Amino acid sequence: GENVEQHPSTLSVQEGDSAVIKCTYSDSASNYFPWYKQELGKRPQLIIDIRSNVGEKKDQRIAVTLNKTAKHFSLHITETQPEDSAVYFCAASQGSQGNLIFGKGTKLSVKP
Amino acid sequence: DAGVTQSPTHLIKTRGQQVTLRCSPKSGHDTVSWYQQALGQGPQFIFQYYEEEERQRGNFPDRFSGHQFPNYSSELNVNALLLGDSALYLCASSFGGELFFGEGSRLTVL
Repeated sequence: GENVEQHPSTLSVQEGDSAVIKCTYSDSASNYFPWYKQELGKRPQLIIDIRSNVGEKKDQRIAVTLNKTAKHFSLHITETQPEDSAVYFCAASQGSQGNLIFGKGTKLSVKP
Repeated sequence: DAGVTQSPTHLIKTRGQQVTLRCSPKSGHDTVSWYQQALGQGPQFIFQYYEEEERQRGNFPDRFSGHQFPNYSSELNVNALLLGDSALYLCASSFGGELFFGEGSRLTVL
């Protein structure tokens, strides 16, 4: 079955710096790759997603890139702000209705 | 729009007991998925319900069972609770696209 590896497990940056989180997946049939942000005690919230027919997608300060050949995808956050501090999860599935396989998460801390 | 609502928010059980968790999907959503999130881990897929049938199942034992009602709401049942079942149980609903998660039910097994 699918396996998703996520690195790093913790990431600390200064406000205004960029943050990059990387994930790899094992199942070449996976074609949907969402990223979720989970604040302490809250539910995971979708922040951006990408499908395998696209190499890059941007939404304001957030971007995701996908390399299907290498089976890895990355989340890029630019101009980080203290409110970006949270745990970020990558996930992979076959189709957006398929079951999501999550990485173990990255705890991002943005220092003012 | 109330979004995905789950109940109860917190509960404590002892080993061997049974628990039922409930989920009401976001308005217009017909698919409900359940995930288990242990402390410090990513959510793990338990199963998904569509049209009152279990459509997909993750690697969880038969002690975990579910149901979907005609109004698309869903229940997760766990029998013979183990200490390792302590976790946040997340319900997510969808309609052909993005998953929307509820706030979860935090289960503690003593």
